[in-house]
Amino acid sequence: DAGVTQSPTHLIKTRGQQVTLRCSPKSGHDTVSWYQQALGQGPQFIFQYYEEEERQRGNFPDRFSGHQFPNYSSELNVNALLLGDSALYLCASSWEGQGYNEQFFGPGTRLTVL
Amino acid sequence: AQRVTQPEKLLSVFKGAPVELKCNYSYSGSPELFWYVQYSRQRLQLLLRHISRESIKGFTADLNKGETSFHLKKPFAQEEDSAMYYCALSGQRTASKLTFGTGTRLQVTL
Repeated sequence: DAGVTQSPTHLIKTRGQQVTLRCSPKSGHDTVSWYQQALGQGPQFIFQYYEEEERQRGNFPDRFSGHQFPNYSSELNVNALLLGDSALYLCASSWEGQGYNEQFFGPGTRLTVL
Repeated sequence: AQRVTQPEKLLSVFKGAPVELKCNYSYSGSPELFWYVQYSRQRLQLLLRHISRESIKGFTADLNKGETSFHLKKPFAQEEDSAMYYCALSGQRTASKLTFGTGTRLQVTL
């Protein structure tokens, strides 16, 4: 099991463009959460998907949207990119039936907005 | 609002010295507290959680509800402990969102 995988590793976009980031959860996991980690900061929760629906959302604008597929993989979409969207985007997966909170993180996608 | 505060950006200690990474939190209710670690060129990984009361790699952390703290301690630092450490909290529901602190870089020198 490769654990949580994310693609691409790095991405460079310009202001105003749109971007899609992808995440495959750890085998057996059904819940995917997305976090944004700006330079020098801890990860900040964006939203979480379970059963193909957004279950929780952090304090991020509607420009940030997502999707979860029947195979539990997930996408994060960001529209109208701003310079401030430059960050490391982390995906974390977990299993709802586990009974306790344990989230496994992927290596991240580094997004640079010029 | 839930918040995690890690007051030190960098903690530098000598090998064999005791380590204490500070973490304070605010949360209305009963949170779960975690320490995550990120070694150089590796992904963020769970080090320990307060409910399991384990010692991992010699590290321990005790939840002090009166002081709303969850400090990470190790009696004797090793070079391989050098990493970025993040304190985080969540609600008690499975897969509840994690709120992280800004992290403390631990640097263990000879």
